[in-house]
Amino acid sequence: DAGVIQSPRHEVTEMGQEVTLRCKPISGHNSLFWYRQTMMRGLELLIYFNNNVPIDDSGMPEDRFSAKMPNASFSTLKIQPSEPRDSAVYFCASSFSGRGTGELFFGEGSRLTVL
Amino acid sequence: GDSVTQMEGPVTLSEEAFLTINCTYTATGYPSLFWYVQYPGEGLQLLLKATKADDKGSNKGFEATYRKETTSFHLEKGSVQVSDSAVYFCALLKAAGNKLTFGGGTRVLVKP
Repeated sequence: DAGVIQSPRHEVTEMGQEVTLRCKPISGHNSLFWYRQTMMRGLELLIYFNNNVPIDDSGMPEDRFSAKMPNASFSTLKIQPSEPRDSAVYFCASSFSGRGTGELFFGEGSRLTVL
Repeated sequence: GDSVTQMEGPVTLSEEAFLTINCTYTATGYPSLFWYVQYPGEGLQLLLKATKADDKGSNKGFEATYRKETTSFHLEKGSVQVSDSAVYFCALLKAAGNKLTFGGGTRVLVKP
């Protein structure tokens, strides 16, 4: 079975450009999470969705960040305009919340570098 | 609020040495506890878990026991290998919750 699929794996862009990160969760999972990982701040939860509905976006840094989940098999995280401090690895993870097992399945991450 | 505290790394040790990574938590009620591992260049993956007090989770030679009296879930392995070099995250999940609370992660480097 395919795991969580993220794209792109690597992105290098210039400050001010729009960045869109994509995620395909595991089929059948109904919860999706976006995390950001940096050396300084560790692993931060940005937002999570349950049944395609955003439940908690308190971790989204500011209005430059937005996330959507138009259907159960696709989500995007957009940064517009991007800034150098947004450089990080962004992870998408999915789970089946009904079981309440707490097991998240992570993608391999999208490494973003903003110059 | 809920929180998880881990020992800071990096932890450097030789192959076949004994590994302990301390983890303590603060939460109301009876959370489930987890250890996730992140190998270089990869996402996190579940290593082991325990859902109630005194439960012991184990996997790949790693063990951790849910100690409610000390609010701890320390990770141990008796004989580490170079392939165990990774970042280890302790986490908790509140009952009926859906959002994991992660600790800061502990980097482990095992030298041959």
